Amino acid sequence: DAGVTQSPTHLIKTRGQHVTLRCSPISGHKSVSWYQQVLGQGPQFIFQYYEKEERGRGNFPDRFSARQFPNYSSELNVNALLLGDSALYLCASKPPTGGSGSPLHFGNGTRLTVT
Amino acid sequence: GEDVEQSLFLSVREGDSSVINCTYTDSSSTYLYWYKQEPGAGLQLLTYIFSNMDMKQDQRLTVLLNKKDKHLSLRIADTQTGDSAIYFCAETRAGTASKLTFGTGTRLQVTL
Repeated sequence: DAGVTQSPTHLIKTRGQHVTLRCSPISGHKSVSWYQQVLGQGPQFIFQYYEKEERGRGNFPDRFSARQFPNYSSELNVNALLLGDSALYLCASKPPTGGSGSPLHFGNGTRLTVT
Repeated sequence: GEDVEQSLFLSVREGDSSVINCTYTDSSSTYLYWYKQEPGAGLQLLTYIFSNMDMKQDQRLTVLLNKKDKHLSLRIADTQTGDSAIYFCAETRAGTASKLTFGTGTRLQVTL
């Protein structure tokens, strides 16, 4: 079975531009979460979506937004990019069964570099 | 607030056991996870434990949880060079299960 897939794998943008990152969850998973991992740190929670609704948001500015589509895939959008937005952006999905303790399954991430 | 701490680096010889430690502050933590990250890759789930357990074993991996001291450890038996990676401890609470709080990661180096 395919795992969580993210595209693109790498991206270079200039300050002030915007970016869209894409994620396809594992088949059957309805919950998608986004995390930002700055070099040398652990991932930080950005958003969770379930059944196309936002179910959680981390401490990130309004420049960050996301949405989930009827097929449960998701997009993360970042506007007005800053140098500090350079990071690995990870998407994770979670199975619908097993309760809230079901673990997250992560993709390989999109490496965003802002110059 | 929530905080998860790990030591930054651990070096072990191939064939020895590795023990990676983690402490957390949130007494409401109910689920604790260990993830592995190899260079340039995403996070691979290794194992997880619910807070009503104190130990879980899965092949070469043993997780120990001391809920009183808010201390979690991951023991890797017979450590191999392929185990070299960064290991992240993460916690979450019931009802916020997609919001994991991660530690800064422990880099495990396995030497011959």
